[in-house]
Amino acid sequence: KQEVTQIPAALSVPEGENLVLNCSFTDSAIYNLQWFRQDPGKGLTSLLLIQSSQREQTSGRLNASLDKSSGRSTLYIAASQPGDSATYLCAVGNRRGGADGLTFGKGTHLIIQP
Amino acid sequence: NAGVTQTPKFQVLKTGQSMTLQCAQDMNHEYMSWYRQDPGMGLRLIHYSVGAGITDQGEVPNGYNVSRSTTEDFPLRLLSAAPSQTSVYFCASRQWGDNYGYTFGSGTRLTVV
Repeated sequence: KQEVTQIPAALSVPEGENLVLNCSFTDSAIYNLQWFRQDPGKGLTSLLLIQSSQREQTSGRLNASLDKSSGRSTLYIAASQPGDSATYLCAVGNRRGGADGLTFGKGTHLIIQP
Repeated sequence: NAGVTQTPKFQVLKTGQSMTLQCAQDMNHEYMSWYRQDPGMGLRLIHYSVGAGITDQGEVPNGYNVSRSTTEDFPLRLLSAAPSQTSVYFCASRQWGDNYGYTFGSGTRLTVV
């Protein structure tokens, strides 16, 4: 059974800092990996999608990397802003072409202090 | 496109009542799935579907039924609600193919008393 772990569970940093969120998974035979953002009481917003054959993806100030062999992914946020405060979720698409849903980590609750 | 639409947004049920959580997508996505989100447990997969007429169980399927009669709709049925089913429910869909991730609905907050 695939298990996804996110470290740290919570993080509070001053505005402007660069930061890294970590995600690890136990079964390296994944189809893809997706990072989401969730604001309190809201749904999930997709940030980045990395295919199993890719090493990284970038969108604006966000960069996600994937090392499938070691079962790890990181989400790098550059020049953090108070608007980045949210819970960040890592989710793995498993075999069967990713059709059988996602396995989620429990998230990193991020607070950016103004 | 409206994306993934979930109704209702909020619902209170009494123990033993039944109800259906609706999920509809207008993107012609083949894959759809249901999750529940509980404090300290994260999101867990309930049921999923790879196309009309095809459904399968996820990690926590007990107490829930699904059907997929059309590509657009994937309703989740609670046959006899229990307090343990108090949760926030999310529906998601995805297009077939390598370059597509899941799109989520805004969720249904269900309380069973």
